[in-house]
Formats: sequence, C-alpha cells, structure tokens
Amino acid sequence: QQQVKQSPQSLIVQKGGISIINCAYENTAFDYFPWYQQFPGKGPALLIAIRPDVSEKKEGRFTISFNKSAKQFSLHIMDSQPGDSATYFCAATRAGASKLTFGTGTRLQVTL
Amino acid sequence: DTGVSQDPRHKITKRGQNVTFRCDPISEHNRLYWYRQTLGQGPEFLTYFQNEAQLEKSRLLSDRFSAERPKGSFSTLEIQRTEQGDSAMYLCASSLDNTIYFGEGSWLTVV
Repeated sequence: QQQVKQSPQSLIVQKGGISIINCAYENTAFDYFPWYQQFPGKGPALLIAIRPDVSEKKEGRFTISFNKSAKQFSLHIMDSQPGDSATYFCAATRAGASKLTFGTGTRLQVTL
Repeated sequence: DTGVSQDPRHKITKRGQNVTFRCDPISEHNRLYWYRQTLGQGPEFLTYFQNEAQLEKSRLLSDRFSAERPKGSFSTLEIQRTEQGDSAMYLCASSLDNTIYFGEGSWLTVV
C-alpha cells in the first residue's frame, strides 16, 4: 500500500521559473514531512521539512506548503536553476516512528 | 566530514557470494536505518536500530539479509547467497530525532 503519492513523475522548467511538486498522504498519524534532493549516484540529501502545525515553511528558494485538511503538501522551488536538476522525494513519518515512507520521486530538469 | 559514511561505495559480486556493507552513522545519533533503492524508485525501508537493538525489520528483509549494530555505533548489513534481484543501492541513515540523514550509499551489482 503506497501511503505517499507524488506527482508529477518528471518536470521540465526553464531557468528562473517555479518548480512545483505535489504529494498526498493517507495516514493521518503522519506529523513530519521532509523533502529530499538526490543527484545521480548520490544518497538523498535533506532539503527542507515541515510539521502540520504550520501551513508554510520557507528556506531560501525552497518553500513547503502544507494543507492538513486535504492531506497534501507541496514543494515550490523559486527561481529554478540548472543546478537544481535532480530527483526530489517527498516523505512522511510520525513522531517516534522508525521509518520514512517515501513518494515515488520527481525528476526535475531545469533548462537554460 | 561528520556525515553518514558507507563502505564500500561500489561492489560487484557473483551470484551466490556473500557481501557485507558497513555504515558509520553521525556521531551520537542513536538511531540507524538501512534502506534499499533501485533505479527510478524511492528508498524502501529495510531495518532500524535504536542503539544496539534492532527494533524493526521490513518484510523486504529476507532471511538472507542480516544486520547488526554490535556496540550501538557502526552497523553492518550482510547479504548471503546473493541473487541478481539484490542489485540495488543500499543506503544507511542515522538520526537523533525525526531528522534522518542519509549516507552516499553502497551500490551492489550481482552478476
């Protein structure tokens, strides 16, 4: 049972544009939602994370928007750069839990 | 570098051989995780340690897989009698709370 659904599967954005990746979860017990960035041949790197007590969190060009009632959250990358080209994974877990449940990933390509 | 360290980074082995991967977590992180990732997929949870105790194992972890964390510091993941389906990247991660940090992974190719 896939508990975190991620879309789109792939995304092409022009340099300077906004990249938007969406995730939806099913388990209402989840209360911690991180995003990971992964470059080819590397491990996932923590990018930004949010808890459901806030609706938005911003760190530099990266923003998470969270909609608790809809059980959805999204990553926005402002002023997208070619160096942002990577695969992005959303994930979810609950406090004290032993594991992250990952989405299926979005392959982002930022073109010049 | 104080990140999660994994060794070896790449391993090519013949089907039927045993392989062992080592993970050194971030210092003072009491939680350690192993995940497996295949091309085009997200990481899948394999097992979890809190200190030296293995508290959870996924059904993905067949009896050919064994993980240890003998002193609550580094961990090893051994795969016995490897099969071609074991080819994947094996990721180690550690945490002190919900913030989980991954290593660079150990690539396994079974030929």
